[in-house]
This record gives sequence, structure tokens and C-alpha cells, in this order.
Amino acid sequence: QKEVEQDPGPLSVPEGAIVSLNCTYSNSAFQYFMWYRQYSRKGPELLMYTYSSGNKEDGRFTAQVDKSSKYISLFIRDSQPSDSATYLCAIGSNYKLTFGKGTLLTVNP
Amino acid sequence: GAVVSQHPSWVICKSGTSVKIECRSLDFQATTMFWYRQFPKQSLMLMATSNEGSKATYEQGVEKDKFLINHASLTLSTLTVTSAHPEDSSFYICSAYTGPGQPQHFGDGTRLSIL
Repeated sequence: QKEVEQDPGPLSVPEGAIVSLNCTYSNSAFQYFMWYRQYSRKGPELLMYTYSSGNKEDGRFTAQVDKSSKYISLFIRDSQPSDSATYLCAIGSNYKLTFGKGTLLTVNP
Repeated sequence: GAVVSQHPSWVICKSGTSVKIECRSLDFQATTMFWYRQFPKQSLMLMATSNEGSKATYEQGVEKDKFLINHASLTLSTLTVTSAHPEDSSFYICSAYTGPGQPQHFGDGTRLSIL
């Protein structure tokens, strides 16, 4: 079993839709959870960062962590064409991050 | 804040050439920097962790003599791909953070093409 599992998609939604992206992980020692957005041929950009179970909201983005189920989610409300990118979950302990494969999202106008 | 700059963004060179990639933290001091490699439609694979003033820690399967890392200051780490061959062609990305538990901030990557 891989340490971090993420459905690679691709996921295609109409503009304005609510998008749900998910990752599961196997190591209960993981302590902090991040979501990155990566545009084609660019480095990942940090979207959300949390270290506790529950929800964290920032604008149209909500990160959700359930440590008991080892499950994290990113919700995007009112999705825009500019949200089209690959979304990577990253889960860490100490100093190392383990990344999911990334989900390719396309938001159609 | 937390800007990481990577240079060059794209390099094409002949087989056998050595290529140096620079990673700089522009507005913060980075105790640790990381080097990743990413193949098309794949996730980031950690190659090595570099700490200022000490030797880099390489991940299993990464040749330390092939990928030389130097972290001479709190704002600069370099990755040198020595005697590069076509199989070394990839997207190399660096990241930096201020300490454990803090998020990593990434550069924009270097696309390396070896002919």
C-alpha cells in the first residue's frame, strides 16, 4: 500500500461547480497536511496547510482532515477556469513531505 | 513572502555535460532545502535534503556522485547534474522551509533536456 493515495482523475467540471479532491494515507505518524496547486511546467504553489483534524477555510478553498480515517479533502467552491491545474496533497512528519500523484482538474467555462 | 527562485528555468545540453541548477530563498532564510524530480504526469519524488553547512542526505536509489548538492548559505542551494545523459532529462524542482513542521515553498522548476 502506498503511503499516500490520490485519484489522478482527470476531473472535468463546469464553471461554478463545487469540486472535491481527496487523499488517503496509511501512516498515522503523519502530522501535517498540505494542498498544493501546480500549473503546467511550474512549481507547486501552497494552497492550504493544517496540522489538526477538522476544517480550515480560506476564501473559496476548504481543507478537511480526518485523522481517525486517515483521509483529507480539499473543496473548491464556485470553481473558475483559472482553477484548472493539478492539485497535489502532501502529508508530512518531521521535515519530509510525501506527495500524492496529483489530480488534474479542468474547469470548463 | 516565502518566495523561492530557481534558475535556470530550462536548459538543453549535450550528453556528457554537467549542469548546475540554483535555488534561492529570496525573502527568508532556509535552514533546509529539498530537491525533487518530477516525470510527466507523475508526482514529486524527493531526491535529497540539503542543510546549510552540512552534507546532503540522499534518498535511496539517488546517486550522490551523479547529483551533487551544495548548500553554502541560508539562502542558496545548488544541484549539479554531472555528466548528464538523456535518462537524466526531467523536471527538477527545489523547495525551502524555515523549519520542521513548516510548509515547503517551491521554486518554478528547471526543465532539463539532455540530447
